[in-house]
Amino acid sequence: SQTIHQWPATLVQPVGSPLSLECTVEGTSNPNLYWYRQAAGRGLQLLFYSVGIGQISSEVPQNLSASRPQDRQFILSSKKLLLSDSGFYLCAWSGGQLRGYTFGSGTRLTVV
Amino acid sequence: GENVEQHPSTLSVQEGDSAVIKCTYSDSASNYFPWYKQELGKGPQLIIDIRSNVGEKKDQRIAVTLNKTAKHFSLHITETQPEDSAVYFCAASSGAGSYQLTFGKGTKLSVIP
Repeated sequence: SQTIHQWPATLVQPVGSPLSLECTVEGTSNPNLYWYRQAAGRGLQLLFYSVGIGQISSEVPQNLSASRPQDRQFILSSKKLLLSDSGFYLCAWSGGQLRGYTFGSGTRLTVV
Repeated sequence: GENVEQHPSTLSVQEGDSAVIKCTYSDSASNYFPWYKQELGKGPQLIIDIRSNVGEKKDQRIAVTLNKTAKHFSLHITETQPEDSAVYFCAASSGAGSYQLTFGKGTKLSVIP
């Protein structure tokens, strides 16, 4: 069966520090991968998605970047965190059209 | 692109009553409509989905209905229980041939014992 792993679960980082969040998927190949951010009590904001290795699409201009160095690995990064980067970050994967997403357990990021 | 509106944003029901959450979508080519449940501090989980060639789908206490003409779909939860308390998101595929979902803004459901 397919599983998705996301870590760390919580992270407290100072303003100006770098960020690296990792997401890996097991049990499938060539998944579509997504990074979402969720502010407290708010909806899901799509940040990046990828349909293949090295293929990244950005949905909103921001202080973040994403990379997909391997088929089942998706990384969210920042060189210098801002206070506004705080939030709940979710990774998700899907098998393609007409299929739901499977979300990871999320990373709670607090920038102080 | 696709736009999904979800109502209400908050909903409180007594335990045992039914809850209904409604969503509308803009792209008539959308053909896949999943619903997700998100418990506090966790990632959303798919609870039910429906494809455009079906008008209704049921899974125990949960049902989803789809009206393609009106471009709206609804989640129905019967005999609500406290563990149904969560945030629920609807979503629609972003047009024919698309792999991307557009999500509603969510409904916070509280089931009062």
